[in-house]
Amino acid sequence: DAGVIQSPRHEVTEMGQEVTLRCKPISGHDYLFWYRQTMMRGLELLIYFNNNVPIDDSGMPEDRFSAKMPNASFSTLKIQPSEPRDSAVYFCASSLNRDRNYGYTFGSGTRLTVV
Amino acid sequence: AQSVTQLGSHVSVSEGALVLLRCNYSSSVPPYLFWYVQYPNQGLQLLLKYTSAATLVKGINGFEAEFKKSETSFHLTKPSAHMSDAAEYFCAVRTGYGGSQGNLIFGKGTKLSVKP
Repeated sequence: DAGVIQSPRHEVTEMGQEVTLRCKPISGHDYLFWYRQTMMRGLELLIYFNNNVPIDDSGMPEDRFSAKMPNASFSTLKIQPSEPRDSAVYFCASSLNRDRNYGYTFGSGTRLTVV
Repeated sequence: AQSVTQLGSHVSVSEGALVLLRCNYSSSVPPYLFWYVQYPNQGLQLLLKYTSAATLVKGINGFEAEFKKSETSFHLTKPSAHMSDAAEYFCAVRTGYGGSQGNLIFGKGTKLSVKP
């Protein structure tokens, strides 16, 4: 298995532009999570899906952030418009049957820089 | 609410020395506890997990952790550090079995440096 695949690995954009981050979870995993990592706040859960349905988006910082999972093999995290304070590393993770003792498998992350 | 505190944002050891990374958790119910490692420019990789079976848990790369309920701790150790162990280590807790309580809550991380 290729693991959780995220694209792009790096993104540099200007303030005000739309940014779309992509994630392909491990085949067969039924949970998908989006995390944001910054020096100041550490790892923050933004949103998670179960069987493609958003379950908890209470971590999404503002209406500028949105996430979708149109099918079991693809999810996007969109920021529109982007701001410099959105600069961070965004991780996608997937898991099988979260209610058991499985850990999460993380992607390599997308490093976003908004200038 | 559940939480995790990692003591020391940066730990430095010599190659061959004992590695001890500290993690304390807060939970009103028996927790599931995890240690993850993050190498530079990579995602997090699961090192080991405690799920209410044996209190001493062995993981990959020679790491182990001991769950101590009386101390609400889950410290990570390795008898002899290697240069390749240099990375950032995250402790995480999950206390629920459904809804948002089932999510992993991560500590701030501890960066481990290994000196030759």
